[in-house]
Amino acid sequence: QKEVEQDPGPLSVPEGAIVSLNCTYSNSAFQYFMWYRQYSRKGPELLMYTYSSGNKEDGRFTAQVDKSSKYISLFIRDSQPSDSATYLCALAYNKLIFGAGTRLAVHP
Amino acid sequence: KAGVTQTPRYLIKTRGQQVTLSCSPISGHRSVSWYQQTPGQGLQFLFEYFSETQRNKGNFPGRFSGRQFSNSRSEMNVSTLELGDSALYLCASSLGHGRAGTEAFFGQGTRLTVV
Repeated sequence: QKEVEQDPGPLSVPEGAIVSLNCTYSNSAFQYFMWYRQYSRKGPELLMYTYSSGNKEDGRFTAQVDKSSKYISLFIRDSQPSDSATYLCALAYNKLIFGAGTRLAVHP
Repeated sequence: KAGVTQTPRYLIKTRGQQVTLSCSPISGHRSVSWYQQTPGQGLQFLFEYFSETQRNKGNFPGRFSGRQFSNSRSEMNVSTLELGDSALYLCASSLGHGRAGTEAFFGQGTRLTVV
């Protein structure tokens, strides 16, 4: 069983939709939770970083962590075509473990 | 503030050759980690260096090696290249080790093609 599970998609939504991206994990040792965005042919860009259960908001992005269920989510409000990218969850205790990434396409 | 710089951006090598990739971290960052990204396996951790010492290593064969210099710049080397080594190699820098190393910033990557 992989330590981090993430549905690779692809996920296609219309502009303006609310997008929900999710990862589940099995190791309760994970303490830090991140979301990265990766455009084609680019390196991953850190979007959100949190180390506690609950919600963290940054503009149109909200990261949610539920340690009891070992479940993390990223919500994107008012999605834009420029949000089209691959979104990777990453979890850490002493090293980063990445999910497979979810490809998101936002069409006008 | 300059980001993480990886050179070269693209490389084409022949099976059996060796290759060296370079990474300059963000100024003030002392930890550098290397990852291999392929469509089938995703992002896989290779190794982490902090203060010129390897602190963590992933499950890759000994053909993959690295080092870090006193200015925190890092190189990784792959010897006896195989077709399966074709991938995007990403370097990530962070302030330090342990918890301080969990907030990582990536470079643009080096795309290696082995023919």
